[in-house]
Amino acid sequence: DSGVTQTPKHLITATGQRVTLRCSPRSGDLSVYWYQQSLDQGLQFLIQYYNGEERAKGNILERFSAQQFPDLHSELNLSSLELGDSALYFCASSVGGLAGDTQYFGPGTRLTVL
Amino acid sequence: QKEVEQDPGPLSVPEGAIVSLNCTYSNSAFQYFMWYRQYSRKGPELLMYTYSSGNKEDGRFTAQVDKSSKYISLFIRDSQPSDSATYLCAMSDAYGQNFVFGPGTRLSVLP
Repeated sequence: DSGVTQTPKHLITATGQRVTLRCSPRSGDLSVYWYQQSLDQGLQFLIQYYNGEERAKGNILERFSAQQFPDLHSELNLSSLELGDSALYFCASSVGGLAGDTQYFGPGTRLTVL
Repeated sequence: QKEVEQDPGPLSVPEGAIVSLNCTYSNSAFQYFMWYRQYSRKGPELLMYTYSSGNKEDGRFTAQVDKSSKYISLFIRDSQPSDSATYLCAMSDAYGQNFVFGPGTRLSVLP
């Protein structure tokens, strides 16, 4: 158990809908990362937050947004969902959010868009 | 050309074999190199982490980085069935602004 929690574990929804994925980092970690893992694209970095501020942005679509709250939990919002958004979404956390910091991954949220 | 290339496998070896997993990359700005292990339906977990070129050993695992060739390797000695998983290489620049994973190699260690 990495200490990172993600809810829900599974989510099934329809195209065009909007969903919110939630992540609670390990105790003491200030940085949160979001990743998308699909069969054809592998693990893709989406976005990183550090202590409530956006620090780095990867291949995140405009339909997706995220935020980190004062209690350090984070939410990833996915809107206007398409079939291709079906994937595993992982959250990871690290202490300082620096390049060499170890990232600890949560168990993931499996999103299925029908 | 993808930024990070990795043979997807699957790779099947007998128990006790030495396993060699490799990644090549194209971005010379990468400074941090990592290997993650991912069991089916679980989140990746960090195995090894190396900064710049060189070797690092931790138990049965050895990571090598050759920045001149843009090539990194993970060696697993005395492989065990419990090592059966997907192995992902990952790398980032010095600022952590560009964090990229390889597609992963699926390894099966047969008893």
